Amino acid sequence: NAGVTQTPKFRILKIGQSMTLQCTQDMNHNYMYWYRQDPGMGLKLIYYSVGAGITDKGEVPNGYNVSRSTTEDFPLRLELAAPSQTSVYFCASSSWGNSTMGYTFGSGTRLTVV
Amino acid sequence: AQSVTQLDSQVPVFEEAPVELRCNYSSSVSVYLFWYVQYPNQGLQLLLKYLSGSTLVKGINGFEAEFNKSQTSFHLRKPSVHISDTAEYFCAVRTGGFKTIFGAGTRLFVKA
Repeated sequence: NAGVTQTPKFRILKIGQSMTLQCTQDMNHNYMYWYRQDPGMGLKLIYYSVGAGITDKGEVPNGYNVSRSTTEDFPLRLELAAPSQTSVYFCASSSWGNSTMGYTFGSGTRLTVV
Repeated sequence: AQSVTQLDSQVPVFEEAPVELRCNYSSSVSVYLFWYVQYPNQGLQLLLKYLSGSTLVKGINGFEAEFNKSQTSFHLRKPSVHISDTAEYFCAVRTGGFKTIFGAGTRLFVKA
C-alpha cells in the first residue's frame, strides 16, 4: 500500500523554466490537495480537487495550474518559475464525504528556483 | 472564517521531561481538530484527532490532546518525551467541508 507518491523528491529550476510535480494515490480518495510549506509559515493550500475533472483554487494559486483527469493522479504545473516558488510542495488526499478523516500526505518535493 | 494559532514556534525540552504544545483556534461552527507530526525530510503524519465525545484524545507515540471548547484550545501533551520525538508538530482545524487549515507549526527539540 503506497499511499500518496510524489515525484521528483528534489529539483532545481532556472527562472522562467516550467515543470510538473507528479502526485498519485492508490487509496481511491476523491479529495486531493497541493500545499506549499515555507519556513515558519505552515502549509498554504495551492489547489484542491473534489474528484476527477473538478479542481479549484486555494489560498495561493498564482503561478500554478492543476488537472485531475483520473481519481489517482493530481499533477501540479509550474509555468515560468520564479524564485518566490522556491519551497517544499506536499500533495495530500482524503476520502469522500468523511470530514472526520485526516489527510494522507506524500513525502514532498523540494524545489529550488535559481 | 477559521484560523489556527500555535503559540510557540520552538519548544526545547530535556529527554524524559513532560511537554505541552499549545494550539488555539477560532471558528463560528463546530470543528474537527487534528495534530500532525513531521519528521525531518518527511511528509506530515496524523498524530491524533478530536471529532466529538470525550475531550481527551489519545494518539500514537504516547501523545494526547485535550479539547477545551470554552478556551477554544487543543493543546498537545506528552508526559515523558524521547529524543525520537524531535520533529515539527502542526495543529489543524477542519469544519464540515473538505478543507483543512493548518497552524504555522511548533518545532520540538528534545535534548539529551
